[in-house]
Amino acid sequence: AQSVTQLGSHVSVSEGALVLLRCNYSSSVPPYLFWYVQYPNQGLQLLLKYTTGATLVKGINGFEAEFKKSETSFHLTKPSAHMSDAAEYFCAVSEGSGGSYIPTFGRGTSLIVHP
Amino acid sequence: AAGVIQSPRHLIKEKRETATLKCYPIPRHDTVYWYQQGPGQDPQFLISFYEKMQSDKGSIPDRFSAQQFSDYHSELNMSSLELGDSALYFCASSSLAGGKGITQYFGPGTRLTVL
Repeated sequence: AQSVTQLGSHVSVSEGALVLLRCNYSSSVPPYLFWYVQYPNQGLQLLLKYTTGATLVKGINGFEAEFKKSETSFHLTKPSAHMSDAAEYFCAVSEGSGGSYIPTFGRGTSLIVHP
Repeated sequence: AAGVIQSPRHLIKEKRETATLKCYPIPRHDTVYWYQQGPGQDPQFLISFYEKMQSDKGSIPDRFSAQQFSDYHSELNMSSLELGDSALYFCASSSLAGGKGITQYFGPGTRLTVL
């Protein structure tokens, strides 16, 4: 069974500061990992994903994440926060077993950016 | 690029009424997924369809049913609505046959309010 833990339901940073959103997962097989962003009253937008290969993946809007198998982590980072980054961020894992790619989502982390 | 389309975007119903939500996947995507996201919650998988056949079933209540049509659009039918059904309902699509089933692309959601 797969599961995701996002540490911190809220993360507050100043504009220009480093953004770090934490995600740990559990999976019985090599996982597929995703970060989605959700702006108020909108759908989920894919930020980035890890499937295979390079463990450091770059996504849209300057975000990147590193898959660390030994730590079962897939933390999301951005060097410099913008006000427009304020949103809800969801980490998700899927196993792709039996051809099914149903992801399990974390509870989400609300990113607050202060001027 | 074309995205997933959901209609209506907002829906208000009374208890015990029925509701139908529609989802139009990205062109050439063969798989549709439905999710329910309660206030402050992560998306919960309800049901999915591949090539018009149900492929996976999650936590979908018996009062709900869904189907995928020949043009690949999908409808989620909800009967005997309860206050607890008030949520954001997302549809996502992917292309399993195209080898891109790992990534799901989400629509903007339908916000259902049950009074």
